[in-house]
Amino acid sequence: QSALTQPASVSGSPGQSITISCTGTSSDVGGYNYVSWYQQHPGKAPKLMIYDVSNRPSGVSNRFSGSKSGNTASLTISGLQAEDEADYYCSSYTSSSTRVFGTGTKVAVL
Amino acid sequence: QVQLVESGGGVVQPGRSLRLSCAASGFTFSSYAMHWVRQAPGKGLEWVAFISYDGTSRYYADSVKGRFTISRDNSKNTLYLQMTSLRAEDMAVYYCVRGGLGFFGFDIWGQGTMVTVSS
Repeated sequence: QSALTQPASVSGSPGQSITISCTGTSSDVGGYNYVSWYQQHPGKAPKLMIYDVSNRPSGVSNRFSGSKSGNTASLTISGLQAEDEADYYCSSYTSSSTRVFGTGTKVAVL
Repeated sequence: QVQLVESGGGVVQPGRSLRLSCAASGFTFSSYAMHWVRQAPGKGLEWVAFISYDGTSRYYADSVKGRFTISRDNSKNTLYLQMTSLRAEDMAVYYCVRGGLGFFGFDIWGQGTMVTVSS
């Protein structure tokens, strides 16, 4: 159950687009369309942003989008805003019926 | 409103036990799978355990297998995590989390309860 690999940090200027990658294996990310993404502000509980690779829950801005290719999933934030500055985590279902999180990415808005 | 409220955290000595509880409200608890997720201070999220809506299926992270037990009481709308043989590396904020209905994701999170393992 190794954590999925994410870049430690990603930054962008307001209005720009950024993409966060999440790399796993064929036993998790690559094997199922069950990747989800979470936003966590300091001292707060995480919030679901994307589920099943590319679906947005009600109330989540359409500036957030998800995709997957092979063993790598991606979260794209377009029109970057100051409020998007947070930690982001991916998660995947695994072949052992467990779940695994990514290492986390700190997004900075310059 | 939909809410998950954890309790039972605190300071415990290495090797001792602790039971966390999570009170659910605002939704039909018995229809949802539930999870525990933890976060060590300054670290990332770690999935801990899963229990199906009816309690018949349970899965654990390798790091806690054999030491932690997830359970639920649907008549009381409550989720539990029994933790035994606690180690320093178990120190974390423990979140009670609802599994998605019809999709794979953690859609509702509690505020978390801190477990400190220290002598």
